[in-house]
Amino acid sequence: AQTVTQSQPEMSVQEAETVTLSCTYDTSESDYYLFWYKQPPSRQMILVIRQEAYKQQNATENRFSVNFQKAAKSFSLKISDSQLGDAAMYFCAYRDQTGANNLFFGTGTRLTVIP
Amino acid sequence: KAGVTQTPRYLIKTRGQQVTLSCSPISGHRSVSWYQQTPGQGLQFLFEYFSETQRNKGNFPGRFSGRQFSNSRSEMNVSTLELGDSALYLCASSLATGVPGNEQFFGPGTRLTVL
Repeated sequence: AQTVTQSQPEMSVQEAETVTLSCTYDTSESDYYLFWYKQPPSRQMILVIRQEAYKQQNATENRFSVNFQKAAKSFSLKISDSQLGDAAMYFCAYRDQTGANNLFFGTGTRLTVIP
Repeated sequence: KAGVTQTPRYLIKTRGQQVTLSCSPISGHRSVSWYQQTPGQGLQFLFEYFSETQRNKGNFPGRFSGRQFSNSRSEMNVSTLELGDSALYLCASSLATGVPGNEQFFGPGTRLTVL
């Protein structure tokens, strides 16, 4: 089974600064999808950004970007110009190439934004 | 468009009882996946339903079951509850299954407490 590892249980960042959350994964497949999800306190989990392994270009969504290193099986999330609303649990997730709707999640990183 | 809804939001049961949780997907979505979220095990996939058929199943005992109706609404049932079943149960809906880049939209979850 695929495993996803998030080695930073907690991170903090000053408002307006940049923070990077780490994620590594283990797979023998060549094509797959990777996701970052955000789960604010007591609120629904939402998709932040997704990356297809087949595409070499790193995905970007406004202030959120990823650093995808396929050979190293690394998928980090960079949040620029951090805002108070970015405070949440962030989960890295993997989906295999079959497209089955079962995601393998990491254990999450709790991000605190300091005003 | 209304999001994914889950009922009830909170539930308290005692060991040995059974419980049924409900999930209504976004209109037009035909795939519903269920996840269990606990502090110890993180987010784990339970099963996925598409067109009233179970398509994928995670590594959970047979006490966990589900079904999907013709209107795509889904229920999951846990029989003979154990203390370890206390968790946040999340459902996620998506348009289809087998599409790797498909986005899953999560509901707010049902928090089950087993006493």
